[in-house]
Amino acid sequence: KAGVTQTPRYLIKTRGQQVTLSCSPISGHRSVSWYQQTPGQGLQFLFEYFSETQRNKGNFPGRFSGRQFSNSRSEMNVSTLELGDSALYLCASSSGTGGNQPQHFGDGTRLSIL
Amino acid sequence: QQQVKQSPQSLIVQKGGISIINCAYENTAFDYFPWYQQFPGKGPALLIAIRPDVSEKKEGRFTISFNKSAKQFSLHIMDSQPGDSATYFCAADPQEQGNLIFGKGTKLSVKP
Repeated sequence: KAGVTQTPRYLIKTRGQQVTLSCSPISGHRSVSWYQQTPGQGLQFLFEYFSETQRNKGNFPGRFSGRQFSNSRSEMNVSTLELGDSALYLCASSSGTGGNQPQHFGDGTRLSIL
Repeated sequence: QQQVKQSPQSLIVQKGGISIINCAYENTAFDYFPWYQQFPGKGPALLIAIRPDVSEKKEGRFTISFNKSAKQFSLHIMDSQPGDSATYFCAADPQEQGNLIFGKGTKLSVKP
């Protein structure tokens, strides 16, 4: 079974630009969560989607948004990029039904803002 | 209340030794506690997880000990190997869809 796939692996952008990251979950998984990982703040939850609906959102500004498609693939968008947005963005998928379903992570997209 | 505190920040262990990483939490609503292992350039990989109705769970060389009254849990890696050198994260599920609260991580180095 293929794991969680994130594209692209690396991105370099400049301040003020916007970026879209993509995540393909494990086949059959309907929940996709996004996390930001930085050396200072560690792993922080951004949002979670299930069956194309955002069910939960972390404490990030509105510049961070996402969506999920009918095939469970998800995209995350960051607008008006700031230097502080440089981070590893991780996507995790789970079955999403019932309680405490294990989350399985992709290898992330490394975003660097110049 | 939503924090998970993890210690130590870094750990050096000799090959064959026991690695112990500790985590503590405040929120009694947390009901699922996974541990993740992350190698450089890779995403976190689920290692082992426990629920608060169990005091210990063992999978191979990895054991989680859970103390519900103290709100603490720990990961023990027996017979540590150089291949175990990685960053380990504890996490807790606050019963909110898709949201895991992570500790800050422990960088483990196992010396041959």
